[in-house]
Amino acid sequence: ILNVEQSPQSLHVQEGDSTNFTCSFPSSNFYALHWYRWETAKSPEALFVMTLNGDEKKKGRISATLNTKEGYSYLYIKGSQPEDSATYLCAFNQAGTALIFGKGTTLSVSS
Amino acid sequence: DADVTQTPRNRITKTGKRIMLECSQTKGHDRMYWYRQDPGLGLRLIYYSFDVKDINKGEISDGYSVSRQAQAKFSLSLESAIPNQTALYFCATSDRTSGNHNEQFFGPGTRLTVL
Repeated sequence: ILNVEQSPQSLHVQEGDSTNFTCSFPSSNFYALHWYRWETAKSPEALFVMTLNGDEKKKGRISATLNTKEGYSYLYIKGSQPEDSATYLCAFNQAGTALIFGKGTTLSVSS
Repeated sequence: DADVTQTPRNRITKTGKRIMLECSQTKGHDRMYWYRQDPGLGLRLIYYSFDVKDINKGEISDGYSVSRQAQAKFSLSLESAIPNQTALYFCATSDRTSGNHNEQFFGPGTRLTVL
């Protein structure tokens, strides 16, 4: 069974702090790496879908990088705001199969 | 209007009962998925279907079955519900032809409680 690891499991930061999370995945048969944002009482929504080694993607204050050779991706949040509080899921996709999700990193931002 | 809908949104049932959770989508996507979420365990894949004639087991398919009645509909059944199937269930879709590399679009979820 393929394993996708996310760290840390949870963290609490103050408003204005910058933070980052890690997703580790198998480096074989890579097709895509996804990041999803999941707010309480809502459904997960895609942040980024990354496919190329060295890819960097950005959406507002959130950005992500990808290293397919060593099997990791980082998600960065610059200047965290309370509305960034959510669980951030990464998911690994090999060609021809369904996504495998990590357990998520739960971020809490205090004002 | 929601693109991916799930019915029911909440269900309480008793051990041994047969339960069906339904998922419909208006996105025109060919691929559909069922996940369950338990606290601290993220999303775990139960079954997935890449088209109407394709059904595949996921990580935790035991105790579940599915039916892909049409491209737009994917149902999940618990033949004889047990308490450890109490969870939040999500349906999702993706589009093979979009170039989005299986980006998932989730329904609102069904909260199932088995007493």
